[in-house]
Amino acid sequence: DSGVTQTPKHLITATGQRVTLRCSPRSGDLSVYWYQQSLDQGLQFLIQYYNGEERAKGNILERFSAQQFPDLHSELNLSSLELGDSALYFCASSVARDRVSRTEAFFGQGTRLTVV
Amino acid sequence: ELKVEQNPLFLSMQEGKNYTIYCNYSTTSDRLYWYRQDPGKSLESLFVLLSNGAVKQEGRLMASLDTKARLSTLHITAAVHDLSATYFCAVGDDMRFGAGTRLTVKP
Repeated sequence: DSGVTQTPKHLITATGQRVTLRCSPRSGDLSVYWYQQSLDQGLQFLIQYYNGEERAKGNILERFSAQQFPDLHSELNLSSLELGDSALYFCASSVARDRVSRTEAFFGQGTRLTVV
Repeated sequence: ELKVEQNPLFLSMQEGKNYTIYCNYSTTSDRLYWYRQDPGKSLESLFVLLSNGAVKQEGRLMASLDTKARLSTLHITAAVHDLSATYFCAVGDDMRFGAGTRLTVKP
């Protein structure tokens, strides 16, 4: 158990809908990362937050948004869902005490999203 | 933008053989990570490499980092079936991942 908790584990929804994925980082970790893993595109970096602020942004679609709350948990919002958004979404957290992550990130078990 | 390339993408090995997986990246970085992922599972951290010339070993796996060449290697010694998995390298503070190397070790 990495200590990173993601909910829900599985999610099935229809095209055009909106969903929210939740991530609770390891205790004390300030940095949260979101990744999308699909069969044909590998592990794509979406966005990183550090202590509530956006730190880095990857290939995140405009239909997707994220935030990190004062208690450090994070949510990834996916809207106007398309079939191609079906994937495994991972959250990871790391210590990053000084805004520079010197340790590895620990991954949650992922949320498997299926859009039908 | 940082690009991370791994090769090979697929690797089939016989038990007992040695092989090396390569991770190249496009811009300067002083940190590199190796992860393992079993099918349908999450990612497990293997190594953290934080300086030029860093070498770390765990069991049959050894990772090294050459920041000047922007290259990391993951060397597998005397492979066993339990090493079958997908191996990823990740680079930089925002942890950009390579495409992964799917390793299959056959008896």
